[in-house]
Amino acid sequence: DMKVTQMPRYLIKRMGENVLLECGQDMSHETMYWYRQDPGLGLQLIYISYDVDSNSEGDIPKGYRVSRKKREHFSLILDSAKTNQTSVYFCASSLDRAAETLYFGSGTRLTVL
Amino acid sequence: GDQVKQSPSALSLQEGTNSALRCNFSIATTTVQWFLQNPRGSLMNLFYLVPGTKENGRLKSTFNSKESYSTLHIRDAQLEDSGTYFCAAEHTGNYKYVFGAGTRLKVIA
Repeated sequence: DMKVTQMPRYLIKRMGENVLLECGQDMSHETMYWYRQDPGLGLQLIYISYDVDSNSEGDIPKGYRVSRKKREHFSLILDSAKTNQTSVYFCASSLDRAAETLYFGSGTRLTVL
Repeated sequence: GDQVKQSPSALSLQEGTNSALRCNFSIATTTVQWFLQNPRGSLMNLFYLVPGTKENGRLKSTFNSKESYSTLHIRDAQLEDSGTYFCAAEHTGNYKYVFGAGTRLKVIA
């Protein structure tokens, strides 16, 4: 069963703390993405990863960094979280570099106090 | 700006009726995807489109690249069709999808 798994599902952090969001996929997909979703704004692309150690900024990369050391895992890191990073974060994957069907994880709801 | 604009922003449908959702694009795009986000927040892929039309059960979607729009038709709406529908357009050449703000659909009995 094809799956994109995100951990944790819910997370509460204080301003200034570091945050690590994890994403895994079992489909051997080359390309992975991190999006955030805010009310009324749809999904905004933070970072895209074309394969291991091949990452590219999306539309809103400021305040975030990513790590992809294995094809099946893609991490989103917030160094010193800010209150305006409170959001729902979605990870997605697609087969390869060409535009392909996106498969989404269930999301992580992050609250920064 | 509104690179991908969805309309309407919200819609209420009587069970059993039909409707159409629309996306207009102001970016060059060659592929479009439609997603349904259910009330629990999960995103499900409905269609992946190159220019043309696809049909799946009660859903039909068309992507017209020359006129820069896509439509999603829902036939015989059911309660389980409720949720938020998103379209996303690939910004040609960089494999990055730009999402619209969504259409919130509520199907009522």
